[in-house]
Amino acid sequence: EVQLLESGGGLVQPGGSLRLSCAASGFTFSTFAMSWVRQAPGKGLEWVSAISGSGVGTYYSDSVKGRFTMSRDNSKRTLYLQMNSLRAEDTAVYYCAKVPGDFWSTSYYFDYWGLGTLVTVSS
Amino acid sequence: SYDLTQPPSVSVSPGQTASITCFGDKLGDKFACWYQQKSGQSPVLVISQDSERPSGIPERFSGSNSGNTATLTIRGTQAMDEADYFCQAWDSNTVVFGGGTKLTVL
Repeated sequence: EVQLLESGGGLVQPGGSLRLSCAASGFTFSTFAMSWVRQAPGKGLEWVSAISGSGVGTYYSDSVKGRFTMSRDNSKRTLYLQMNSLRAEDTAVYYCAKVPGDFWSTSYYFDYWGLGTLVTVSS
Repeated sequence: SYDLTQPPSVSVSPGQTASITCFGDKLGDKFACWYQQKSGQSPVLVISQDSERPSGIPERFSGSNSGNTATLTIRGTQAMDEADYFCQAWDSNTVVFGGGTKLTVL
């Protein structure tokens, strides 16, 4: 059974940093691309970043480019999101999501989602 | 940037057919998928690659995509289908979500 468990969320001041983790189990982690998707309170879904199975390819939304860094440790089956220069508008539940393959193309979608971790940016 | 537009809300009576649309420029040339998100829960994939239904998703859920519009259809809608529904596509190195549609079953 595929399981994705996020951690690392919490309250942080504007301008601060936070690192999220996503522990994966139930599938061969290194052979699947992954993404982070966030959802601000009461709002819709917003894609944040993506990473290839090997970790070589990374992609970011314009809203986080230059501030967030996505990485993975395949030996630990863990995904990371380093978030720097945090802003109030980064407040959201952050989900890690699994892609049904290792690709970055028009058929990109998410077959499994984690439970999410809440990040609150406030002074 | 690429935009996907959904109606904010759709209402349907139990047992009837609900249709939720997702509009995007030449969306039919891309793959569209749909997620269901019930209150307080994580999203769940209900339709992938325009019309593919994942294992465990009831047959009453179906999808289509042509021209500029993708459509999620729920036949014989049940109270348990009340949720937010989001369409999603990939375009120019970006993953795009629609704004979401709240489906009310009443």
